[in-house]
Amino acid sequence: RKEVEQDPGPFNVPEGATVAFNCTYSNSASQSFFWYRQDCRKEPKLLMSVYSSGNEDGRFTAQLNRASQYISLLIRDSKLSDSATYLCVVNPKGGSSNTGKLIFGQGTTLQVKP
Amino acid sequence: EPEVTQTPSHQVTQMGQEVILRCVPISNHLYFYWYRQILGQKVEFLVSFYNNEISEKSEIFDDQFSVERPDGSNFTLKIRSTKLEDSAMYFCASSDPGASTDTQYFGPGTRLTVL
Repeated sequence: RKEVEQDPGPFNVPEGATVAFNCTYSNSASQSFFWYRQDCRKEPKLLMSVYSSGNEDGRFTAQLNRASQYISLLIRDSKLSDSATYLCVVNPKGGSSNTGKLIFGQGTTLQVKP
Repeated sequence: EPEVTQTPSHQVTQMGQEVILRCVPISNHLYFYWYRQILGQKVEFLVSFYNNEISEKSEIFDDQFSVERPDGSNFTLKIRSTKLEDSAMYFCASSDPGASTDTQYFGPGTRLTVL
């Protein structure tokens, strides 16, 4: 089983649509979880951290289900500028230690069309 | 907003040559990382560095690779004898141990092409 697994897509959606991405991780002891966004040939940029209670940032909502080892990202009212690859990222040594490597999923490609 | 910077943006080298990729992490950050991304593949961890020593390294980070913090601002990745398969984007990242989250911030990357 891959350490972090995502559906690569692509997801092609019209502007204004709601789209959801899912991710599973294999290490049940993992501590920190993130969604990063990566534009073509650019660096990963933090979109949001993911907490057990779930968190929302504008049109973006992230959820974590530790029991199922499952992370999700919901994007509402999609914009053309949301077109990118969304990376599910896990830090097995997260929290206060700050020394852990990040483990990246393959990424899910989103294309928002007018 | 402070950011991680990397130079050069693109490096072309011949197989067997040594390359040094340079990074300037965010100034108050104390943890530094190198990752690489081969074209079309996922981002992979190479090494983490704290308090002037390697904290953790991956299987990719073999004897051909080394890291150094030569002064108070730079963090470098050296590849001693490059191979064709070293061609990739190399990202530097840093994090702040005093922050409430353990977020790592990435630089824009160096595209390494080995011919």
